[in-house]
Amino acid sequence: DQQVKQNSPSLSVQEGRISILNCDYTNSMFDYFLWYKKYPAEGPTFLISISSIKDKNEDGRFTVFLNKSAKHLSLHIVPSQPGDSAVYFCAASAGGSQGNLIFGKGTKLSVKP
Amino acid sequence: KAGVTQTPRYLIKTRGQQVTLSCSPISGHRSVSWYQQTPGQGLQFLFEYFSETQRNKGNFPGRFSGRQFSNSRSEMNVSTLELGDSALYLCASSFTGDYGYTFGSGTRLTVV
Repeated sequence: DQQVKQNSPSLSVQEGRISILNCDYTNSMFDYFLWYKKYPAEGPTFLISISSIKDKNEDGRFTVFLNKSAKHLSLHIVPSQPGDSAVYFCAASAGGSQGNLIFGKGTKLSVKP
Repeated sequence: KAGVTQTPRYLIKTRGQQVTLSCSPISGHRSVSWYQQTPGQGLQFLFEYFSETQRNKGNFPGRFSGRQFSNSRSEMNVSTLELGDSALYLCASSFTGDYGYTFGSGTRLTVV
């Protein structure tokens, strides 16, 4: 049973517009959430994270929103750039350790010039 | 500083064989985690080692095992390979073992 779900396998956005990637989770014990970006033939690269005690975290063009009651988080990229084209993974952990992350299956973002 | 290094980058093995993959963490990092990535299942946690002790284990059969050495380098071993073990195996390391994991580029294992 998938504990972290990314229901959109792909997303296409025009350069300069907002990209919104969504993620749902089922385990209420998760207390830390992360977004990773992955290019082909490379390992995932950490983007941004959020603790369950917050509902928003911002880092430059990237903002993550957490809605605990809905068990939903989203990643907003504004403005989107062609270099943002990659697979984005949502991940969650419980108990403070990020050594054993539960990943979603990823959303492939394509940003068109 | 050097990142997480995984060797080899690519590997082809035959069903029934065993394989050992290696991970050299970032210098000073004491925690190493291993993940398997497949098109169908995505990224799945295998196990985590901290200071030579296995701290967490994912839901994989006993054919998958690992260890960590005193210099924090880690190896994972898969015995009696099956076609379904074909995947990208990723290693990630962290200093504290609580956050700040950096991933390597992975080892692409193909079982034929």
